[in-house]
Amino acid sequence: QQPVQSPQAVILREGEDAVINCSSSKALYSVHWYRQKHGEAPVFLMILLKGGEQKGHEKISASFNEKKQQSSLYLTASQLSYSGTYFCGTDVLTGGGNKLTFGTGTQLKVEL
Amino acid sequence: NAGVTQTPKFRILKIGQSMTLQCTQDMNHNYMYWYRQDPGMGLKLIYYSVGAGITDKGEVPNGYNVSRSTTEDFPLRLELAAPSQTSVYFCASSYSSYSRAATGQYGYTFGSGTRLTVV
Repeated sequence: QQPVQSPQAVILREGEDAVINCSSSKALYSVHWYRQKHGEAPVFLMILLKGGEQKGHEKISASFNEKKQQSSLYLTASQLSYSGTYFCGTDVLTGGGNKLTFGTGTQLKVEL
Repeated sequence: NAGVTQTPKFRILKIGQSMTLQCTQDMNHNYMYWYRQDPGMGLKLIYYSVGAGITDKGEVPNGYNVSRSTTEDFPLRLELAAPSQTSVYFCASSYSSYSRAATGQYGYTFGSGTRLTVV
């Protein structure tokens, strides 16, 4: 079943922060986050495995709440280059597999 | 490294025609995937492969076929094209081992996509 992302869209001023959420109705083994710019392929940002580990990638970080089957992507001090559509991809297998189901995406626009 | 290479980038098909979307990766990834992306719908898995000679259906396999004769290549075949197959198609590849997760190598690498229109 497709994970649910929220919000669907967000507009930020440069320097502002944002949080994108991803929820699943199934028990998850891992959550991936990707960013896609218009007309381009999705680009891998980070992966979180069950266990609540928080990862970071420059000013972008993420957490995974195993009890709630939720992941959140945190974008701090946003830059114009952060604009794009963010997708979470969830893997419900117990290990060894990597077949992702993607959410419908969150459109992020950063303005001056 | 070239990564994941998809051809063609654009194609217009007439209803009932057939075609093959090519996908090649040079990262020695054992897992490969085909997704389609429709506006506002995210990415839907069509087929995937865990290694040469092994393929399995994803969420939306009807109207498509795949084969995996080598580690590098994973072509997607469309038979009897229909307007509902108008979409952007992405091929992707990844490692299968979760032991690589800590080094960040476990994510998907996507090709640049094929925009297909069926008229």
